[in-house]
Amino acid sequence: EVQLLESGGGLVQPGGSLRLSCAASGFTFSSYAMSWVRQAPGKGLEWVSAISYSGGSTYYADSVKGRFTISRDNSKNTLFVQMNSLRAEDTAVYYCAKVISDSSGYYPMNVDYWGQGTLVTVSS
Amino acid sequence: QLVLTQSPSASASLGASVKLTCTLSSGHSSYAIAWHQQQPEKGPRYLMKLNSDDSHSKGDGIPDRFSGSSSGAERYLTISSLQSEDEADYYCQTWGTGILVFGGGTKVTVL
Repeated sequence: EVQLLESGGGLVQPGGSLRLSCAASGFTFSSYAMSWVRQAPGKGLEWVSAISYSGGSTYYADSVKGRFTISRDNSKNTLFVQMNSLRAEDTAVYYCAKVISDSSGYYPMNVDYWGQGTLVTVSS
Repeated sequence: QLVLTQSPSASASLGASVKLTCTLSSGHSSYAIAWHQQQPEKGPRYLMKLNSDDSHSKGDGIPDRFSGSSSGAERYLTISSLQSEDEADYYCQTWGTGILVFGGGTKVTVL
């Protein structure tokens, strides 16, 4: 059974930093792309970032480019996102997601499993 | 620009059917999409991947009541024999080179 368990959320002041983790199990983590997707309170889903199976390719939404860094540790089956220069508009539940890639293995396509999410609140 | 458009809401009676629409932006009518369900206060759940030729592959444990179809730039999700637990938000999702895109979601109410 695929399981994705996020952690690291909490309250942080504007301009601060936070690192989220996602512990994966139930599948060969090192063979799949992964992604972070967020959902602001009362809003829809917004893609944040994705990373290829090897970690060699990373992708970001314009809204977080230059502030967030996605990474993975395939030896520990864990996905990360380092979030710097946080803003009030980054307040959201952050979901970890397993992603199916295209035949090259580099470009993410559809999400096929989701975590339960961790809440990040940016407020003074 | 790759954009997905969904109606904000839909409703149908218990036991009836409802058909949701996701429209791909101009120039992207051949793109595949995925459908996801989000029940209240829960994380999303993958339902299926839907190709432009109507072929689709469902996620684990997704009932036969959920089906997908395509016509031009439109992708559909039909839920038959509506049950109370189908009351949820439904999101379509697609992808470009290095980006993922979500539609705004459709809230389904079971009457």
